[in-house]
Amino acid sequence: KQEVTQIPAALSVPEGENLVLNCSFTDSAIYNLQWFRQDPGKGLTSLLLIQSSQREQTSGRLNASLDKSSGRSTLYIAASQPGDSATYLCAVNTGGSYIPTFGRGTSLIVHP
Amino acid sequence: DVKVTQSSRYLVKRTGEKVFLECVQDMDHENMFWYRQDPGLGLRLIYFSYDVKMKEKGDIPEGYSVSREKKERFSLILESASTNQTSMYLCASSTDALIAENTGELFFGEGSRLTVL
Repeated sequence: KQEVTQIPAALSVPEGENLVLNCSFTDSAIYNLQWFRQDPGKGLTSLLLIQSSQREQTSGRLNASLDKSSGRSTLYIAASQPGDSATYLCAVNTGGSYIPTFGRGTSLIVHP
Repeated sequence: DVKVTQSSRYLVKRTGEKVFLECVQDMDHENMFWYRQDPGLGLRLIYFSYDVKMKEKGDIPEGYSVSREKKERFSLILESASTNQTSMYLCASSTDALIAENTGELFFGEGSRLTVL
């Protein structure tokens, strides 16, 4: 059974820092991995989707990488801003299943 | 843009009431999901549907049922609401990633915060 772990669970940093959030998974037979952002009391917003054949995806200050063989993905946030404060979740779709497996998320606070 | 719309952002219901949570997506997605989210417990899958009239139980289906009569609409039903069903409910949809040309990207609605008194 696929298991997804996100480390750290919480992170507090000053504005301007470059950040790395980690997502690891136990079964490397995935067909995609997706990063989401969730603001308090809201739904999840899709940030980046990486297919199993891809190594990375970029959107603005965000860059997500995927290393299937080691079961890891990282979300890199450049020049963090207070508006980046949110919970970041990763989800993995594993071969043969319709149902994604979610990590518990990393709660990020960027203070001015 | 893909849009997943949940009918109510906030609901307050009494114990024993029947509750309907509606979800509509506008991108012809095959898959639709209902999750609940509680502090410290993460996202938990209640039910999943991969086609019209098809449904599968998730991790916590007890006390819930679902209906998918049309492809775009997936309804979550609480037959007799209880206080332990107070939660944030999230609907999501995606294409079928098992089909090669689909991405399988998952999209969520804004969530429905249900309080049962």
